[in-house]
Amino acid sequence: DAGITQSPRHKVTETGTPVTLRCHQTENHRYMYWYRQDPGHGLRLIHYSYGVKDTDKGEVSDGYSVSRSKTEDFLLTLESATSSQTSVYFCAIRDTLADNEQFFGPGTRLTVL
Amino acid sequence: KNQVEQSPQSLIILEGKNCTLQCNYTVSPFSNLRWYKQDTGRGPVSLTIMTFSENTKSNGRYTATLDADTKQSSLHITASQLSDSASYICVVSALGGGNKLTFGTGTQLKVEL
Repeated sequence: DAGITQSPRHKVTETGTPVTLRCHQTENHRYMYWYRQDPGHGLRLIHYSYGVKDTDKGEVSDGYSVSRSKTEDFLLTLESATSSQTSVYFCAIRDTLADNEQFFGPGTRLTVL
Repeated sequence: KNQVEQSPQSLIILEGKNCTLQCNYTVSPFSNLRWYKQDTGRGPVSLTIMTFSENTKSNGRYTATLDADTKQSSLHITASQLSDSASYICVVSALGGGNKLTFGTGTQLKVEL
């Protein structure tokens, strides 16, 4: 898994509560990504980071925010979770020394009731 | 709009048989195309990558082809094994734009005895 961990791996929460998902990498990669995966859709980019404190929006960023205060950690926050945010969330890093391949973490399954 | 379409949506084959999965894309300007394998409950893992000038790439029993003129790719699996049961995702990268990827929805392959 290219040294990528995600926590928690599973979470059930209620509508309106804040949720933070953590992605941790051990290999000092500059680029990190958050995706969501839903049935009938390909993985969709939520936000990405190109360095500490440098982030940008993806195609489905509404309702999500991110922070990257250290190279190794990229946090995804749902300020007020909604049922439409029930999904599997994947973090990825881009290895610029390996054909820019993106390596994915194991995923976090989030259920919003 | 960049799109990646895969067919079939799902496939069941007997162990030892061959199969071919299809991918059509409308991503421009094209940079590269990857096939990923995603086991249930895991993140996607890259199998092959092809750039514009490559028309075939092998990784063990997996052989990917690319026709950049027709914007089509295929993934051929030879002598299938039970462990090949997974979702296979076609992913296309466009030039520039921070390495943003367009994901297909995947082909769910099941290999049975």
